[in-house]
Amino acid sequence: AQTVTQSQPEMSVQEAETVTLSCTYDTSESDYYLFWYKQPPSRQMILVIRQEAYKQQNATENRFSVNFQKAAKSFSLKISDSQLGDAAMYFCAADGGSQGNLIFGKGTKLSVKP
Amino acid sequence: GAGVSQSPSNKVTEKGKDVELRCDPISGHTALYWYRQSLGQGLEFLIYFQGNSAPDKSGLPSDRFSAERTGGSVSTLTIQRTQQEDSAVYLCASSLQTGFGTPGYTFGSGTRLTVV
Repeated sequence: AQTVTQSQPEMSVQEAETVTLSCTYDTSESDYYLFWYKQPPSRQMILVIRQEAYKQQNATENRFSVNFQKAAKSFSLKISDSQLGDAAMYFCAADGGSQGNLIFGKGTKLSVKP
Repeated sequence: GAGVSQSPSNKVTEKGKDVELRCDPISGHTALYWYRQSLGQGLEFLIYFQGNSAPDKSGLPSDRFSAERTGGSVSTLTIQRTQQEDSAVYLCASSLQTGFGTPGYTFGSGTRLTVV
C-alpha cells in the first residue's frame, strides 16, 4: 500500500529566510506524480507544486522548489524568501495509481515569524 | 462553475441526526473525490466518482456513510445517525480525469461538521 510520511508536525521560519519541509513516500508504482498542497486557515487546499517521477529535473514554481530523490523516495519542499502569507499547513501527497486518488501525509504546520 | 463549491460551509447537528453534504465540481471535471480531515490529521480518502459511478466504496468508514453523484456533476455525501466521531472537515475535489497521471485536484473549501 502507498504511504506518505511527513516527519515534521511543525516548523518555523523567519521572514525572508529559507525553510525545507520533508516528505518520504512508499509506492510500488514505477511512474507516479508527487504533490505539495498548502492549506491556509481558510481550509482551501491549494496546489503548490507537482513533480512527475520520471522527470529527473526538480520542479520549481517561483519561490517554491522540490528536492526529489527517487531512489530514496524523498520529496522535500523548499520555500525561499519566506513570506508571512506562506504560513499554513503543508501536505505532501502521492498519486495513488489506478484509482487516481491522492494519498496524503499528515501535514506540517509552518509558522513564519516577522 | 469557476471552482469547486461545497455547501454548507459549516454544519452543527445533533447526535443521531442525518446530514447531507453537497459538492458542485468544476464543470467538465469527470472525476470527483471526497476526503475527511479530522482535527490534526491528514486527509482520509473516502470515495471517488468517475462520472456517476463509484468503483470503490471501501474507503467509507461505515455503512452509515453513502455518496451519490447524478448527471456527472453534483455529488452528495450522506451521513446517517451521526456520531461525535464524525465531526471533521469534509473536503471535496474534482479533476479532469482519474487513473494514473492525475494532474492534481482542485479542492473546495470544505464543510466543517460538528456533531453535538
